Amino acid sequence: GQNIDQPTEMTATEGAIVQINCTYQTSGFNGLFWYQQHAGEAPTFLSYNVLDGLEEKGRFSSFLSRSKGYSYLLLKELQMKDSASYLCAVLDSNYQLIWGAGTKLIIKP
Amino acid sequence: TAGITQAPTSQILAAGRSMTLRCTQDMRHNAMYWYRQDLGLGLRLIHYSNTAGTTGKGEVPDGYSVSRANTDDFPLTLASAVPSQTSVYFCASSLDTSGSYNEQFFGPGTRLTVL
Repeated sequence: GQNIDQPTEMTATEGAIVQINCTYQTSGFNGLFWYQQHAGEAPTFLSYNVLDGLEEKGRFSSFLSRSKGYSYLLLKELQMKDSASYLCAVLDSNYQLIWGAGTKLIIKP
Repeated sequence: TAGITQAPTSQILAAGRSMTLRCTQDMRHNAMYWYRQDLGLGLRLIHYSNTAGTTGKGEVPDGYSVSRANTDDFPLTLASAVPSQTSVYFCASSLDTSGSYNEQFFGPGTRLTVL
């Protein structure tokens, strides 16, 4: 079966750096997405990786290793507004997005 | 630009009743999706449409039906609601289905409670 694993919850301090990991086992791979979802709101797109390596976008970076079935989202200079759930999703061979359950990130002052 | 809208925002429905959740996008996206999101679970795909006039079943299609008569609208119908269909429902759209074109834009969601 297809599976996406992420930690359920993480806690970090304002101004610090946090890394949210995602491992996947899917039938085929056509890219990996990260989304941010604030409580009570819809998910919004953060990043897309299809090739191995690091993609940097401001305070957020996303890394992919296809051989290891592994990705991480790196958030730097954490702000209170970064408190949210972060969803990892893989586009499989049928171009269906397979979603992880999400990681709830709690930022403490 | 409105993007993608859903109606209603929330609804309480008696078990056995039918209901249609509405979804409209103005981005001329080819693909549209319906998800449900339950606490502790990831987004689960109910039905999808890769282009107007076509639909497909997702991971959890039972008890739901969809239609895609035109590019903009993608309604989701519950024929006879059951309490297990209590959930938050998100509609989404993407330019296309392949690669980065599958970046999905989500509506604000409909919170449905079936009693």
